[in-house]
Order: sequence, then structure tokens, then C-alpha cells
Amino acid sequence: DVKVTQSSRYLVKRTGEKVFLECVQDMDHENMFWYRQDPGLGLRLIYFSYDVKMKEKGDIPEGYSVSREKKERFSLILESASTNQTSMYLCASYTANTGELFFGEGSRLTVL
Amino acid sequence: QQQVKQSPQSLIVQKGGISIINCAYENTAFDYFPWYQQFPGKGPALLIAIRPDVSEKKEGRFTISFNKSAKQFSLHIMDSQPGDSATYFCAASIETNAGKSTFGDGTTLTVKP
Repeated sequence: DVKVTQSSRYLVKRTGEKVFLECVQDMDHENMFWYRQDPGLGLRLIYFSYDVKMKEKGDIPEGYSVSREKKERFSLILESASTNQTSMYLCASYTANTGELFFGEGSRLTVL
Repeated sequence: QQQVKQSPQSLIVQKGGISIINCAYENTAFDYFPWYQQFPGKGPALLIAIRPDVSEKKEGRFTISFNKSAKQFSLHIMDSQPGDSATYFCAASIETNAGKSTFGDGTTLTVKP
């Protein structure tokens, strides 16, 4: 089974802090994604990566950056956290073989 | 610009009833339409998906109906069970880039025993 692991399930940070959200997948997928989930807004794409050291902006990249130094690891970075970034963050990996996104269990971030 | 509109926002169904969730899309380039199911505390997981070359796809109690001319698709859950209580998301994408999906806002389904 594909496993996407988000190391931090719950985080509480203060405004202005730098935040790292880590995601690791174990299926050698080339494509990885960061989505943000908010009630009534569905899932919105922040950033994605098709290969190591490659990144592309999604629909809501402002205030975020990403890092993909290794194929299995995709990190989301909030350079200076703000209260409007309080949300659930979902990492996913993707295989074109089945067209399926495999999601982690999410990282719930609260910014005070 | 919301490219995938999902309704209703919430749905309460009695055990054994039929649950119906609807989605409409705008981008005619979309050619892959999955539904994801999410239980509390878990990430979404693929439930069923359809491509526009067929009008219906059934997997067990779950059926997707697809209307290409109306740009609409829906999820039907037959004989709904309390274990089906979850949030359901429709999505749409271009299959060659299906990881970059556009999601609906989600429907919270509650099946009462």
C-alpha cells in the first residue's frame, strides 16, 4: 500500500514564525502535491512538484514556498506564518498508472 | 473562479436510503472525474472515478452518472449505511495531468441508523 506520511499532525505557531511541514511518500512517485483544506472551500492546490528540485505554483501559492531535495520528500514552508494560514494542510503523491492521488492524514496548523 | 461546483453542502439520509451528490464543471478540457471520500481525521481517499467516454460507472453500492452535454456528474450511494458517513469531494482534471485536480467544496454525508 502507498503510504504518505505527514510528520506533524497538529501544530500551533505564533504569527511571524517560520513553519515547516514535512511529507514523505514510500512509492517512488514522481509527482507530489500540497493542498490546503478549509471548511466550505474544498481542497485548493498550493504547490506541486513533478521531479526533484522542480516546483510549480498551484492556485494559492502566496505566502508559501516548497522544497523537494529528494524524490520521496516534499516540504511546505511558511516563511512568516499569518493567522489566515490557519488550516488543514494535505500532502499527496500521484501515479499516472491509476490516476489516483494518495493523501496523507493531514497537518492541522493553528497560527495565533 | 470556481471551476467545480458541488451540492449539497450537507446531506442527511436514513439507513438504506439513496444518497445523491451533484457536481458541475466549467472547463470542457476536463476529462477525468474522480470522487474522494474523507473520514474524520483522515486524508481523502479515491472512491470511484469516471472518464467521459461512458455515461455511468458502478462499483458496488457507488455509481457515478456523467452527463457530458450538461457538464454535470453525480455520485449515487445506494443502500446508504452509517459507515458511509463521511465528507465526499468531487474533482475534475485533465487526465494527462490528473494530479493537478480541481476539487468541489465537499459534501458532508450523515447516514442515520
